[in-house]
Order: sequence, then structure tokens, then C-alpha cells
Amino acid sequence: DAGVIQSPRHEVTEMGQEVTLRCKPISGHNSLFWYRQTMMRGLELLIYFNNNVPIDDSGMPEDRFSAKMPNASFSTLKIQPSEPRDSAVYFCASRHGQSNQPQHFGDGTRLSIL
Amino acid sequence: AQSVAQPEDQVNVAEGNPLTVKCTYSVSGNPYLFWYVQYPNRGLQFLLKYITGDNLVKGSYGFEAEFNKSQTSFHLKKPSALVSDSALYFCAVRAFLDASGGSYIPTFGRGTSLIVHP
Repeated sequence: DAGVIQSPRHEVTEMGQEVTLRCKPISGHNSLFWYRQTMMRGLELLIYFNNNVPIDDSGMPEDRFSAKMPNASFSTLKIQPSEPRDSAVYFCASRHGQSNQPQHFGDGTRLSIL
Repeated sequence: AQSVAQPEDQVNVAEGNPLTVKCTYSVSGNPYLFWYVQYPNRGLQFLLKYITGDNLVKGSYGFEAEFNKSQTSFHLKKPSALVSDSALYFCAVRAFLDASGGSYIPTFGRGTSLIVHP
């Protein structure tokens, strides 16, 4: 069973550039989460989708961040324009429904904005 | 609102000794509780969960956790630590949805770094 797949694993880009992070959840999972992890702030929830619909985006830092889930097998997190303070590890996680099941995390995208 | 506290940023233990990583929570109603482990350059991996029933929950890699409702705690334990257990450990809580409502979104603690010395 393939786990949650994120790409790219690493991204280095210059300030002001557009960055797109991709996630393929586990087949059959209909809840999807995007998180950001930094040493200073720990693990922060950015946005939560259920059945491809954004349910809670209160963690999205500002309008530069946007996320989409066009179908059950794909989601993107976009930052435009990027800033050095966006440097972090971004994780995608999926879960089976809204049940008591655990989340399954991808191995993250390490983003460095120069 | 729900919250999780992991009071120790770091726990040090000698290999072969028992280990405990502490977690306390606050939630309206009954909780769903989870422990995850994160190794370097990897995502969080599920270890174990408490939903209902027996207060002692057994999980992966020999870990177990004890749910204590009166103390609102869910401490992670292992009888004999291994160097390979060194990692970052996260506790998470989610309220069980009942008539009082609740959230489908779990709340994570800040994590505890476990260091097992040879």
C-alpha cells in the first residue's frame, strides 16, 4: 500500500518566485491536511479538506498561500510570491473519513527560500 | 477548545532503562488520543491510539500508553529503551463528536525529543 506521496522532496528557490507543492493522498482517504513544521513554531495546521472541499483554512498564513484539491487523489499548496520566512518543511497527511482513524503523513517537502 | 501539553522538550534515558514521555490534554467531552513518532527527514508515523475501552493501549515497536481520565493524561511508555527509539514524539487529541459538538481536526503537542544513550 503506497503511503502519502509528496513532491518535490526538496525545493530551493529565490524570494518572489512561485512555489507549488504537491500531494497524493492514500487511495480511499477522503480527509487531507497540509501542515508546516519549523523549529520555532512546531507543527502548524494550514488547511483541512474533506471530500475535496476546504473545511478549515484558518491556519493559512496570508493571501500568498493557496491550496486546492481538484480531485480525491491530488492536492496542491501554492505560495506566490514566496518569502524567506516561508522556509520550512511542509507535510501533507490523509485520513480515512472523519473517523477515529490516525492520520498518515508524507515525508514532506523541505522548502528553502533564499 | 482542545489542547495538548507535552511538558518536556527533551527526555534523556539510558539504553535498557524504561522511558516515559508525558502528555496531558484538555478537551470537551471524551477524547480520541494519539501518539506519533518522527524520525529525521521523515513524516510523522502513527504509534498508537486510545478511543475507548482498556486504559492501557499497546502500539508499535513495544510502546504503550496509559489513559488516565482523572489526570487528563496519556503518557507514552516503553519498558526498555533502544538507541533506535531516539526521535521526536508527538501527542495529539481530538474530541469525540457527540451532542456537544467537536472538531474533526486533531490538535498536536509541540513534540518531545527522546534521546536514548548507549
